[in-house]
Amino acid sequence: QVTLKESGPVLVKPTETLTLTCTVSGFSLNNVKMGVSWIRQPPGKALEWLAHIFSNDEKSYSSALESRLTISKDTSKSQVVLTMTNMDPVDTATYYCARVERYDSWPTSFWYFDLWGRGTLVTVSS
Amino acid sequence: DIQLTQSPSFLSASVGDRVTITCRASQGISSYLAWYQQKPGKAPKLLIYAASTLQSGVPSRFSGSGSGTEFTLTISSLQPEDFATYFCQVLISNPPWTFGQGTKVEIK
Repeated sequence: QVTLKESGPVLVKPTETLTLTCTVSGFSLNNVKMGVSWIRQPPGKALEWLAHIFSNDEKSYSSALESRLTISKDTSKSQVVLTMTNMDPVDTATYYCARVERYDSWPTSFWYFDLWGRGTLVTVSS
Repeated sequence: DIQLTQSPSFLSASVGDRVTITCRASQGISSYLAWYQQKPGKAPKLLIYAASTLQSGVPSRFSGSGSGTEFTLTISSLQPEDFATYFCQVLISNPPWTFGQGTKVEIK
């Protein structure tokens, strides 16, 4: 069974650094057709893509938040970690990790977020 | 970054209605678009990828179409379990992978 589970603090103070961990099971972080993204959703608002890590360790970040984000993975632990610095109350949101799978349809390929964790609500408040 | 605009933002419909949601991209994205359904308190669920490919296990009343800059998600006969918020997402070969702002489908 393929699952993803987010873990981390439920409450952080302004200016602190948030560290979230996504623990995956049922697939390998080395699978070339898969990667993991982080996404967040403020209460009642839209989804916002944050960062992605590919199987070859290549990373991509939201241009709006790039200076504050770092994504990494530990294949042996089946974990993907996201850090976000200088947290602010506007960063209060549910944070999700999702598996991103590649579908090859020659001559191109398509990506899609096929499995998601349940999400973890992070509140930023003093 | 490519921007996605969904319309409408909110729609009210009855069980059995045919519902269409539109997603417009700020530049051409071929067929690199996915649709998700999200119910309150739950993670999004993939419905369609590559603009028109139905994800395994998703009912056939859902369909997607479009290419380039304009895309549609259609629910042919709205069921009670379909009342939710729907998001489109651009998934070109390299991120960023932006989401639309969402369309909430409520019971009339």
